[in-house]
Amino acid sequence: ETGVTQTPRHLVMGMTNKKSLKCEQHLGHNAMYWYKQSAKKPLELMFVYNFKEQTENNSVPSRFSPECPNSSHLFLHLHTLQPEDSALYLCASSQDTAGGVDEQYFGPGTRLTVT
Amino acid sequence: GQQLNQSPQSMFIQEGEDVSMNCTSSSIFNTWLWYKQDPGEGPVLLIALYKAGELTSNGRLTAQFGITRKDSFLNISASIPSDVGIYFCAGRTGTASKLTFGTGTRLQVTL
Repeated sequence: ETGVTQTPRHLVMGMTNKKSLKCEQHLGHNAMYWYKQSAKKPLELMFVYNFKEQTENNSVPSRFSPECPNSSHLFLHLHTLQPEDSALYLCASSQDTAGGVDEQYFGPGTRLTVT
Repeated sequence: GQQLNQSPQSMFIQEGEDVSMNCTSSSIFNTWLWYKQDPGEGPVLLIALYKAGELTSNGRLTAQFGITRKDSFLNISASIPSDVGIYFCAGRTGTASKLTFGTGTRLQVTL
């Protein structure tokens, strides 16, 4: 595997279900990100982890719960979601959160549909 | 919050034509990035710009960091069908890695 991978690629869940999204990066990076992409809206940053520590929570509802057990893996645990949470969820990674010439690389996303 | 305005929102062009799109902001950015997203995939980084006035090429793609630091332009020369997709600009202020994304330009190429 190379780059950033995400599983599953598609997920349909009911509002009472609990599910998890998984992201894995094979780039040796230390920072990982969750974004939400809804139709006709800019990408919305949800969470940032740097060296396994959460450094940003962009006022995300508690029904989304991130977990970063190590620098290569990032999870997004979902429970009691609403239909408006249906979107493409993208994971990204970068060397760290210092910026400079270090850019973010994205996974293919998980298309989530909440019924 | 910061907002990036991309134009046009969508465009239909014929194969072989050149394409121009731009991204503007009311805030100053110190980095401009251009990504392309194919259907069902995540954004892929095309070009990164770090200096006002910088002009950078990647094959048939050329991007420029506006001299005012509030805009950036992307040009695609001699478009081909695989150029179809959504092109996003993204900008960064300060030194941290946090990005602000534009709403995208959807490009469709007809034969």
